[in-house]
Amino acid sequence: GAGVSQSPRYKVAKRGQDVALRCDPISGHVSLFWYQQALGQGPEFLTYFQNEAQLDKSGLPSDRFFAERPEGSVSTLKIQRTQQEDSAVYLCASSLTGNTEAFFGQGTRLTVV
Amino acid sequence: QKEVEQDPGPLSVPEGAIVSLNCTYSNSAFQYFMWYRQYSRKGPELLMYTYSSGNKEDGRFTAQVDKSSKYISLFIRDSQPSDSATYLCAMGMNTGFQKLVFGTGTRLLVSP
Repeated sequence: GAGVSQSPRYKVAKRGQDVALRCDPISGHVSLFWYQQALGQGPEFLTYFQNEAQLDKSGLPSDRFFAERPEGSVSTLKIQRTQQEDSAVYLCASSLTGNTEAFFGQGTRLTVV
Repeated sequence: QKEVEQDPGPLSVPEGAIVSLNCTYSNSAFQYFMWYRQYSRKGPELLMYTYSSGNKEDGRFTAQVDKSSKYISLFIRDSQPSDSATYLCAMGMNTGFQKLVFGTGTRLLVSP
């Protein structure tokens, strides 16, 4: 595809529900990143993959958050037992290598009610 | 105290004005300095990035980095209504675009 694609664009979840957010990076991009952007704030780093290897997950806020990229392409961010404080826009970005420009998707806006 | 501080604005200017956007930071390990533009309900879009202190120009945009003061700026000349967006500064370690630390963003409004 032409850019990073994220789905769904919007997700409303009831508190306690599990959600899965999908990211399709730019074809051939080795590195993939997930960020969380709360309302009125800048994005905050969650986790980083190089191919299928998760090299850094230091930003994941709790063990309810889990990310995977099993074949080194599509990635899924899973949030278990969602809480209201999980409401945010979840941004995915990819780059050809970790040291080159990272291109962001449009994000998934998660609202937990 | 956050690692990267940025005034959230909003900053309102008339069309044609010169805009100055700024960030300060506390971590001297930052080596990459980026400016992103984010329109409402869109993902951030990279405008410019620099590696060293000094100025870098691209069209109407100039990025300035002063590592000694831990201060970076983005100047926009001849601002246009289409420049109305949130501008995010971001910083990275020697690993480049891995694990960026963003400011809160400054909302810019350019009126015709």
